[in-house]
Amino acid sequence: DTEVTQTPKHLVMGMTNKKSLKCEQHMGHRAMYWYKQKAKKPPELMFVYSYEKLSINESVPSRFSPECPNSSLLNLHLHALQPEDSALYLCASSQDSDSPLHFGNGTRLTVT
Amino acid sequence: GQQLNQSPQSMFIQEGEDVSMNCTSSSIFNTWLWYKQEPGEGPVLLIALYKAGELTSNGRLTAQFGITRKDSFLNISASIPSDVGIYFCAGLYNTNAGKSTFGDGTTLTVKP
Repeated sequence: DTEVTQTPKHLVMGMTNKKSLKCEQHMGHRAMYWYKQKAKKPPELMFVYSYEKLSINESVPSRFSPECPNSSLLNLHLHALQPEDSALYLCASSQDSDSPLHFGNGTRLTVT
Repeated sequence: GQQLNQSPQSMFIQEGEDVSMNCTSSSIFNTWLWYKQEPGEGPVLLIALYKAGELTSNGRLTAQFGITRKDSFLNISASIPSDVGIYFCAGLYNTNAGKSTFGDGTTLTVKP
């Protein structure tokens, strides 16, 4: 079982919907990440939070909005997405930003 | 930016055979990581390498951090059907503040 928990596992949303992805870890890790992954491709970094502050935004469109309410939780708010945003969204955490990643099992997002 | 060349792209092997895959880069890394991803799950860390020349084993898996810090290999001995999945290498450079660079992955199929 993964120690990074993501909900929901699957999400189908229309282009006008607003939804949120949630991620939780209780390993005391101080860095948390959002990645996007298309089929048979490596994960692509979207955002990095270090000590609850956004440290990296990889030029992600504003229809994706991250939030880190505390050191254990990470959210990704979605609004007005496009069909090409359909992908597996992976959350990860690490002890610090120089340490290996621990991934959740992802949210499979379909935008219709 | 930094890029990793991972090869081979895919492998079809018979159960019991040994497997070797590698990653090369034009840039140096401080940490090399190997992950495995199975369908419907997030990547799982297999081996982390922190020093040039380091050779580390995890059961039937062995990985090495190249002397030049620009390459790494992963060997799997006596493959079994549950070794099936996509294997990703990743490099970390400690001034990149959490930006792991991923290879494109090696898809392994094991025939019983």
